[in-house]
Amino acid sequence: QKEVEQNSGPLSVPEGAIASLNCTYSDRGSQSFFWYRQYSGKSPELIMFIYSNGDKEDGRFTAQLNKASQYVSLLIRDSQPSDSATYLCAVASGSSYKLIFGSGTRLLVRP
Amino acid sequence: EAQVTQNPRYLITVTGKKLTVTCSQNMNHEYMSWYRQDPGLGLRQIYYSMNVEVTDKGDVPEGYKVSRKEKRNFPLILESPSPNQTSLYFCASSLRLAGVGELFFGEGSRLTVL
Repeated sequence: QKEVEQNSGPLSVPEGAIASLNCTYSDRGSQSFFWYRQYSGKSPELIMFIYSNGDKEDGRFTAQLNKASQYVSLLIRDSQPSDSATYLCAVASGSSYKLIFGSGTRLLVRP
Repeated sequence: EAQVTQNPRYLITVTGKKLTVTCSQNMNHEYMSWYRQDPGLGLRQIYYSMNVEVTDKGDVPEGYKVSRKEKRNFPLILESPSPNQTSLYFCASSLRLAGVGELFFGEGSRLTVL
């Protein structure tokens, strides 16, 4: 079992819809959770982080964390074609300074 | 401008020829890390550093060395590169140890080992 799992996609949504990206992790001691966006040929860019159970909103993005289910998600409201990218989930262990990435979900927003 | 700078950006080399990929950040960040990115495998951590002279292995450290003699620099050394080290490499830094996931990435270094 991979430590951080994501569906590779592609996830295809129409412009204006809500895109829902999901991530599960195996280490129950994980303390902090991150979402990165990576455009093709570019480096990853941090878009959201969440440390506590519940929802965290930032503009069109909402991160959701459920530690009991070991599940973190990213919702993108009013999706735009410019949101088309690969979204990487990352999890930091509570016992070390390691950061583990999932293999990413490719999102395609259709005009 | 705040940035993480990697050099070289592109490199083709041959098996066994030692090489160093440099990484420098100008943000006075505590934490620095190296990742490799391969299709289907995502980003895998090679080494990380919590401060000057403090480094630790990530998930795929074999065949790599690092050093952190100054806070701003964190070079990645391949003593004897092999074809399976052909990859896209990213250096990243974070301001504080409590926020190791709040990373700022360099532009990447694409390495090909023949």
